[in-house]
Amino acid sequence: AQTVTQSQPEMSVQEAETVTLSCTYDTSESDYYLFWYKQPPSRQMILVIRQEAYKQQNATENRFSVNFQKAAKSFSLKISDSQLGDAAMYFCAYRLSNTGNQFYFGTGTSLTVIP
Amino acid sequence: GAVVSQHPSRVICKSGTSVKIECRSLDFQATTMFWYRQFPKQSLMLMATSNEGSKATYEQGVEKDKFLINHASLTLSTLTVTSAHPEDSSFYICSARDPPPRGGYEQYFGPGTRLTVT
Repeated sequence: AQTVTQSQPEMSVQEAETVTLSCTYDTSESDYYLFWYKQPPSRQMILVIRQEAYKQQNATENRFSVNFQKAAKSFSLKISDSQLGDAAMYFCAYRLSNTGNQFYFGTGTSLTVIP
Repeated sequence: GAVVSQHPSRVICKSGTSVKIECRSLDFQATTMFWYRQFPKQSLMLMATSNEGSKATYEQGVEKDKFLINHASLTLSTLTVTSAHPEDSSFYICSARDPPPRGGYEQYFGPGTRLTVT
């Protein structure tokens, strides 16, 4: 069974600083995608970053980057130069790649950005 | 990216009545849509997978007679909560899959619908 674990229910970061959100997952599959989604107070799910499991290179999107450790089944999100607009709930998610099946979401990490 | 809309964004209904929530893919054809439920400060839980032209596949523990799903066209899926009760109050989110050749099985989320049953 696929499970996604986020061990940090809440995190805080000073504006302009860097924060890392943790995520681990469990799967027996070798071909899958991993995602980080942001859910602000509006509740709209916003894709932050995506990582294909077959790629060794860590994905980056501007201030957002991941540390993907496939053997350890770890997928952390680093937010650099944190901004007030980064404050939100962050969900780590897993999905099998080839058939576009359902997402398995973690329980989320609530990020507070301190001005 | 592709856009998915939901209507209504908020709905209040009385206990015992039924309410329909629509999920539309605005600029792509979605053969598969997914319905999630999210309780306050909790994660998204998949309720069902909706395939165009066929019956929905429900997750374990989800009452198919209570949560009716119809995917009659490639751009529209509906979730009807029948005989709603206060415990059905929740945030409902849909996502739609953009398949090849245009997409790469990406999924796009709607903005969600907040249902309150009084």
